[in-house]
Amino acid sequence: DVKVTQSSRYLVKRTGEKVFLECVQDMDHENMFWYRQDPGLGLRLIYFSYDVKMKEKGDIPEGYSVSREKKERFSLILESASTNQTSMYLCASNDGRGALNEQFFGPGTRLTVL
Amino acid sequence: SQQGEEDPQALSIQEGENATMNCSYKTSINNLQWYRQNSGRGLVHLILIRSNEREKHSGRLRVTLDTSKKSSSLLITASRAADTASYFCATVKAAGNKLTFGGGTRVLVKP
Repeated sequence: DVKVTQSSRYLVKRTGEKVFLECVQDMDHENMFWYRQDPGLGLRLIYFSYDVKMKEKGDIPEGYSVSREKKERFSLILESASTNQTSMYLCASNDGRGALNEQFFGPGTRLTVL
Repeated sequence: SQQGEEDPQALSIQEGENATMNCSYKTSINNLQWYRQNSGRGLVHLILIRSNEREKHSGRLRVTLDTSKKSSSLLITASRAADTASYFCATVKAAGNKLTFGGGTRVLVKP
């Protein structure tokens, strides 16, 4: 069974704090993705990575950065958290060519920025 | 703007009834995928249908794709209370490398 885990289910941070969201997958997938989910907007892609130390911007990268030092781990970083980054964050992974194949999602991290 | 948009936004049915939801998209696609999300959880992949396919089945799920109308439908037959969830369509553009999600359909199956 593919397993994608995220470091926290719920997180509360203050404006201006640096926030790290961690994602780990155990299926040796090449590709990993970070999305945020907001009511009525569906999921929006923040960043993705097709290989170690490789990253590409998604649709809404502003205010975020990522790190992929190891194949199984993909971290999302909020350099200086703001209230408009309060959201559900979902990590996903898959193998094969980019986004063409089904993606496996983690349980999500609900982040609140006060 | 979103590539895929679901209709209706919400659906309430009795257990045993069928549930149908639709997805429209704007540009040519490589494939279209349907996902389910139980409340507050991650998404689970249901079905992937490629642009050269017209229909796919998986258990009680049936997906159709009409590329001329740029639309897809997801049918859940003989619904169960456990089918209560949000359902999302997502597309990969013909020359794209990203999965783009619609806003989802919330389905409530009443026992």
